[in-house]
Amino acid sequence: DAKTTQPNSMESNEEEPVHLPCNHSTISGTDYIHWYRQLPSQGPEYVIHGLTSNVNNRMASLAIAEDRKSSTLILHRATLRDAAVYYCILRDRGSGGGADGLTFGKGTHLIIQP
Amino acid sequence: NAGVMQNPRHLVRRRGQEARLRCSPMKGHSHVYWYRQLPEEGLKFMVYLQKENIIDESGMPKERFSAEFPKEGPSILRIQQVVRGDSAAYFCASSPRLAGGQSYEQYFGPGTRLTVT
Repeated sequence: DAKTTQPNSMESNEEEPVHLPCNHSTISGTDYIHWYRQLPSQGPEYVIHGLTSNVNNRMASLAIAEDRKSSTLILHRATLRDAAVYYCILRDRGSGGGADGLTFGKGTHLIIQP
Repeated sequence: NAGVMQNPRHLVRRRGQEARLRCSPMKGHSHVYWYRQLPEEGLKFMVYLQKENIIDESGMPKERFSAEFPKEGPSILRIQQVVRGDSAAYFCASSPRLAGGQSYEQYFGPGTRLTVT
């Protein structure tokens, strides 16, 4: 899987929007962009994924740059419960049909201030 | 709709004993993955299985570790002759059967925390 780069940590205030960036300058045309998060002492949790177009779901929005070399996970109104490590992961749909194991990096540790 | 289940949630073993970790995937999911998270480290992929088949075990240590996903019953991760360095959180994930050209999310269980004394 191609490499991603994320800030080590970010801080935000409760009830404000949060924009978590991810750079993936070596992304290939068949790579999907996935986001997962891991709350303290819990298993990872799927957040969202996309290929080219921006995506929205009940948890978050994913904004993908036109050249696909970067993306941003948007939490529209952060709560204390959103404090977690957020991982940006590329998955090649070509090999294995997008079924390969996930390669987790260090992620971004999101701190939410009350 | 039950999520991915893992048991036990906590397991204590003495050095040299065997550890068996179980994972029941979400209903309708036929792909199972195992990951390990060592203390203060990131998550590492270990093995990917479908029913009765190991698809990718590139992340599995060559010795003492094995995994299976039988036709009936849960997936099992077995660690023989455990050592202190095996102490970690072990997470299982599942995903649905694939259609061509798609990329599917994985759903994780709560993990089994193995402590080797």
